[in-house]
Formats: sequence, C-alpha cells, structure tokens
Amino acid sequence: RKEVEQDPGPFNVPEGATVAFNCTYSNSASQSFFWYRQDCRKEPKLLMSVYSSGNEDGRFTAQLNRASQYISLLIRDSKLSDSATYLCWRGKLIFGQGTELSVKP
Amino acid sequence: GAVVSQHPSWVICKSGTSVKIECRSLDFQATTMFWYRQFPKQSLMLMATSNEGSKATYEQGVEKDKFLINHASLTLSTLTVTSAHPEDSSFYICSARDPGLSEKLFFGSGTQLSVL
Repeated sequence: RKEVEQDPGPFNVPEGATVAFNCTYSNSASQSFFWYRQDCRKEPKLLMSVYSSGNEDGRFTAQLNRASQYISLLIRDSKLSDSATYLCWRGKLIFGQGTELSVKP
Repeated sequence: GAVVSQHPSWVICKSGTSVKIECRSLDFQATTMFWYRQFPKQSLMLMATSNEGSKATYEQGVEKDKFLINHASLTLSTLTVTSAHPEDSSFYICSARDPGLSEKLFFGSGTQLSVL
C-alpha cells in the first residue's frame, strides 16, 4: 500500500457544486497533514493545514480522521477558478498523486 | 509565507548537455532543501534532500552521478542534470521549509526541462 493515496479523478463538477476529496495514509504515526493546490505546470501552493478538530477557510473545509487514517477536503460552491489538482501531503515529503478537479460553467 | 525562487523556468537543451537549476530561499535560511520531479499527470516524486555543507541524500532509484546536487550556502541549492537525455524531460521543483513556519513546505516555481 502506498504511504499516501488519492483518487486521481478527474472530478468534473458544475459551478456551485459541493465536492469532496479523500486522501488515505498508511503511517499511523503521521502527525502533520496539508492540502496543496497545483495548477498545470505550476508549483504546488499551500491551501490549508489539516487538524483533528477540522479546519475551515471560507468555502474550504479540511478534516482529519485518525481512526480511519484519512484526510478530506470539502469545497463548497465550486468556482471555475477552483479547477486544479489537489495534493495531500503528510508532512514527511511524501505527496499523494493528486486529485484533478474540473469545474464547468 | 516564505519565498523560494527557482531559475530557470524553462530549459530546452540538446541531448548530452548538462543543465543547472538553481533554487534560492529569499527571506529565510534553509539548511535543507528538497528536489522533486513531476511527470505529466503524476505526483511529485522526491528525488533528493539537499543538505547545506554536506552531501545530498538521494532517494532510491535516483542516480547520484546523473543528478548532481550542491548546497553551498544557506540560501542556495543547485541541481545539475548531467548528460541529459530525452527521458530526463520533466518538471523539476525545489522546495524548502521555513524553520519559523512549522512544517509547511514552500516551493520554487519549477523548471520545465525539455531535452531534444
């Protein structure tokens, strides 16, 4: 099993939709998790940190479920500009393969 | 957040030549920098960890003599792709942690290498 696994997608959703991604991890000792956003041929940019208590930033909500060993990212009211690849990172230099999101008008 | 500068953004070179990519931390000192490679539609793959003043640590399967890493100062790491071949064509990204910003990783803008 890979250390970090994501559904590569693509997720094609209409504008205004709510979409959620999961990222599972295998190392139960992992302490820190983050979501990054990467646009095509650009560097990843930090989107948000993930805490056990949940983390909300505007339309984005990140959750950590230690019991089931996954993190999630929820995007509400999707915008066209949300189209990108979303990478989960467990703080030990290992990235998930990314989930591609495409928001259509 | 912290700023990491990477140069050049694009390189097109002939097969057999060497290409150097620079990565600088602009507003913090980075004793460690990381080099990733990314093929289209794939995730970032860690190639090596660059350590200031000492040898780089390479991930399994990454050729040390092929990808030379030098970290001569606290703000600069370089990756040299030696004797480049078309299969080396990829997106190379460096990153570093700002010690003052916990474990967050900040990335350079990446270098798209195309070997003809």
